[in-house]
Amino acid sequence: AQTVTQSQPEMSVQEAETVTLSCTYDTSENNYYLFWYKQPPSRQMILVIRQEAYKQQNATENRFSVNFQKAAKSFSLKISDSQLGDTAMYFCAFLEETSGSRLTFGEGTQLTVNP
Amino acid sequence: GAVVSQHPSRVICKSGTSVKIECRSLDFQATTMFWYRQFPKKSLMLMATSNEGSKATYEQGVEKDKFLINHASLTLSTLTVTSAHPEDSSFYICSASLLGTNYGYTFGSGTRLTVV
Repeated sequence: AQTVTQSQPEMSVQEAETVTLSCTYDTSENNYYLFWYKQPPSRQMILVIRQEAYKQQNATENRFSVNFQKAAKSFSLKISDSQLGDTAMYFCAFLEETSGSRLTFGEGTQLTVNP
Repeated sequence: GAVVSQHPSRVICKSGTSVKIECRSLDFQATTMFWYRQFPKKSLMLMATSNEGSKATYEQGVEKDKFLINHASLTLSTLTVTSAHPEDSSFYICSASLLGTNYGYTFGSGTRLTVV
């Protein structure tokens, strides 16, 4: 079974600074997809960024970027120029093509952006 | 963009009663929807996969007779918590995919269920 590990239960960063959230996963599959989701206090789950395992290029979405290391099974999220609105729980998620479309989530990292 | 509407956002019910939660895909058809349960400050736990026109697939440990799932159309899935008890109090979230699951899921806004 696939597992996703987020080793940082809580993190904090000053506004305008950069922070990196870590995520590792375990799988024997070669084709899969990785996601970062954000859950602010409203508890609405929001897709932040997506990475396809067969693409070597790291995904980027504005201030959000990932460092995808396939051999190390690592998928970290970097948030640049942190904003107060980035305060949220961040979940790393894994999807493999043969899983029946089921997402496997990590335990989450609570990020607090301080003014 | 894809929107998944979930209602109600909050519900309080008495022990022993049943409560229904609706999940609608507003601008797309969803042959598959997913139901999750989330405890405070915890991750999402998949309860079941809802397939249009067929029986739902439940995860191990989830009581299918307590958590009834119906997916009667391509835009609506419902979760009914039957004979609710205080331990069923939780946050329930549904999700669906517009472009195919490989592109990620859109989530409903969740339902906070409190059983008193």
